[in-house]
Amino acid sequence: GAVVSQHPSWVICKSGTSVKIECRSLDFQATTMFWYRQFPKQSLMLMATSNEGSKATYEQGVEKDKFLINHASLTLSTLTVTSAHPEDSSFYICSAKALQGNQETQYFGPGTRLLVL
Amino acid sequence: GENVEQHPSTLSVQEGDSAVIKCTYSDSASNYFPWYKQELGKGPQLIIDIRSNVGEKKDQRIAVTLNKTAKHFSLHITETQPEDSAVYFCAASKGSARQLTFGSGTQLTVLP
Repeated sequence: GAVVSQHPSWVICKSGTSVKIECRSLDFQATTMFWYRQFPKQSLMLMATSNEGSKATYEQGVEKDKFLINHASLTLSTLTVTSAHPEDSSFYICSAKALQGNQETQYFGPGTRLLVL
Repeated sequence: GENVEQHPSTLSVQEGDSAVIKCTYSDSASNYFPWYKQELGKGPQLIIDIRSNVGEKKDQRIAVTLNKTAKHFSLHITETQPEDSAVYFCAASKGSARQLTFGSGTQLTVLP
């Protein structure tokens, strides 16, 4: 199946700093990627839809100036958490659309665990 | 918007028994229903999906059924093994390439 990678797999940072998370489609091109956030023992919540070459679409309640998304190529989307605070600590997961046969399917990356001290 | 409810939240079965997880959705326009397995500290892994033009799909020990009229779909795992222990999420969307709405998850524990 299609492979999606994320980097870093985990990061610890001080409050007030910015953190960049990368999402890559390794063996396919992805015009659309999605970013999710997952708190412990909870489900995945969609944060934004990242479209190659255009602005991301954010879900209601997600601050676009705090969670900057850039999808500059067909294989890379980045999420930057600006001025991170402890409440931003979470598991961030991306997914990418891959064409399987004549249908598109979403495949998820392994996630990035962010801890803000 | 779409709302997906998933039951049960926890499920324990003996190795070799079957496990069933059920989900309901609210938006009749949804037509794509994947199931994901998530192990601790990892991203979700697609295990099976079904589209609204079929009622059942099977892949070895895993099967999914869909009742569009009642707006519910279920995951069936037969001959469970300890390595099946994980959190399982159902999801729904209006097309496989659209954003997914997830259920709340089911912690499945297979007891040896």
